[in-house]
Amino acid sequence: AQRVTQPEKLLSVFKGAPVELKCNYSYSGSPELFWYVQYSRQRLQLLLRHISRESIKGFTADLNKGETSFHLKKPFAQEEDSAMYYCALTKGGSEKLVFGKGTKLTVNP
Amino acid sequence: EAGVAQSPRYKIIEKRQSVAFWCNPISGHATLYWYQQILGQGPKLLIQFQNNGVVDDSQLPKDRFSAERLKGVDSTLKIQPAKLEDSAVYLCASSFNRVNGYTFGSGTRLTVV
Repeated sequence: AQRVTQPEKLLSVFKGAPVELKCNYSYSGSPELFWYVQYSRQRLQLLLRHISRESIKGFTADLNKGETSFHLKKPFAQEEDSAMYYCALTKGGSEKLVFGKGTKLTVNP
Repeated sequence: EAGVAQSPRYKIIEKRQSVAFWCNPISGHATLYWYQQILGQGPKLLIQFQNNGVVDDSQLPKDRFSAERLKGVDSTLKIQPAKLEDSAVYLCASSFNRVNGYTFGSGTRLTVV
């Protein structure tokens, strides 16, 4: 069965510092990986997906199949990046999203 | 476009009572999902509909949970009878296709006392 692991429950950085939110997955096939974000008092929303290779709000994530990882990175964190971040995957051909437990990012001034 | 609408936003009930949640997906989205998010955990899929048919309900506790999407648009999720461990946020989401991802509603926060 597929599983998503986010090893850090909490992550705190200072404004302007680099940030990396870790995500590892277990799935034997070819998954599609996503990052979702939930800002305070807002609904869960898609941040980025690996297939589009895009950068959203300065965040990027690279799928590393060898290490089964999909870490989220940003070179210079901003206070407005403070939020809950969830890594998720779907297995090829399915729409069912499997989520990790999430990492709460706090960016301090 | 209008987002995914859910109601109520909050609900407090006693154990063994019943409760129902409602979801109105984005117009044109054929796929609708109900997720359960317990405090400190990521969302867990309860049931997935494609139009008015069930695609996946493997993690739905069918002895107490039920869901329907009769006309392929709105959906209701019911719990009867509720247990303390059902306290969670119940999220509804809809999607047009896999590529574009899901759109989530604001959720219903259920507290069972």
